[in-house]
This record gives sequence, C-alpha cells and structure tokens, in this order.
Amino acid sequence: DQQVKQNSPSLSVQEGRISILNCDYTNSMFDYFLWYKKYPAEGPTFLISISSIKDKNEDGRFTVFLNKSAKHLSLHIVPSQPGDSAVYFCAASAPFGNEKLTFGTGTRLTIIP
Amino acid sequence: EAGVVQSPRYKIIEKKQPVAFWCNPISGHNTLYWYRQNLGQGPELLIRYENEEAVDDSQLPKDRFSAERLKGVDSTLKIQPAELGDSAVYLCASSWGGTGPNTEAFFGQGTRLTVV
Repeated sequence: DQQVKQNSPSLSVQEGRISILNCDYTNSMFDYFLWYKKYPAEGPTFLISISSIKDKNEDGRFTVFLNKSAKHLSLHIVPSQPGDSAVYFCAASAPFGNEKLTFGTGTRLTIIP
Repeated sequence: EAGVVQSPRYKIIEKKQPVAFWCNPISGHNTLYWYRQNLGQGPELLIRYENEEAVDDSQLPKDRFSAERLKGVDSTLKIQPAELGDSAVYLCASSWGGTGPNTEAFFGQGTRLTVV
C-alpha cells in the first residue's frame, strides 16, 4: 500500500526553465510534508517542507504547493540549474506518535544545459 | 556541526553471514531512525528510537534483524543471517523528535550492502 506516490520516475527540463515535481498521498492523517534531494552515493538531504495549515511555502528557487482536498503537492524549481539534477523524494508524516516519514519512490530530475 | 555518520560505507558479504552497521547521530537529536532503501524505491522505515527506547519497530524483520541504541546516542543495526534480498542501502537518520518541523530528519550517507 503506497501511501505516498510519485508517478513520474523521471523528468527532463531545460536549464533556466521551471521544473515541476508532483506527489500524491492517500493517508488523510498526514499533516506535514517534506521534499528531499538525493545525489548518487549520498543520503537524502532536506530541501523544503510544508505544514498542512499552509498551501504554499517558498525558499529561494524552491516552492512547494499543497492542495489538501486533492491530496496533492508539488515542488517547483525556477529557474532550474544543472546542479538540481538529482532524485527528489516526497515524504509525509502524521501527528500524535507517528512521526516516521513515509517516502515516495522518487523522481529523477535531469536538467539539460 | 557534524552530520549523521555511518560506517561502513560499503559492505559485501556472502549469504548466511552476519553483518552490522553503525550510526552516530547529530549531537542532541533524540530521535534516531534506520531506513532501508531498495533500488528504485524510497526509503522505508525499519525502526525508530526515542532516546534509547525503540518506539516503532513494526517493520523490522525480527527473525534476523536486531538493533540497539545504548545510552540513547550511537546505534547499531545487525542482520544475522543475511539473505540475498537484504541487499540494499541502509540509511540512518536523526531528528529533534516530535511532530511538524521537528520531523525533519537528517540522513547519513548510508551503507550499501551487497549480499552474494
């Protein structure tokens, strides 16, 4: 039962354009969402997060949007840079004693120079 | 500030042999996680510690996997005996604990285990 889904295994975007990575979830108890970035042979590194009380959080070139009614979130990167090429994981957590992160399967983003 | 440190980085063993992984979390982080990441998948939680107490080990295959976090700091994860299907990257992570922003977990580089 995949509670966090990233349906696009890969995405290629031209340098300078916008990258949009999508994530869907099924567990309505999730109230905190995170995006992690992973380079080869390294552990995931935290990128940006959003609480369910918000619908948007922005940090520099990275913006995460949350649509609770659709159980959907997206990560926007603009402008995309070659260093953004990595695997991006969406993760979610629920409150009240269930602080573990549930991850999606990841989307491999390739920025084309 | 030092990040989460894991060792070894890589390990190749024959099936039925034992193996152990070590993790040193970020200083002050009460919560420690062990995740397993199979090829092409996201990390999946094996066990979560709050200080020295294992508060969620529901996904740990207890017949062959064991973990400990003595004194609530370092942790070891052991597999005995290893099976071919255990080949994966084992990730340790730590966080301040709690919910919301405190859930943000910091990951180590992982140990890539290959069972042959």
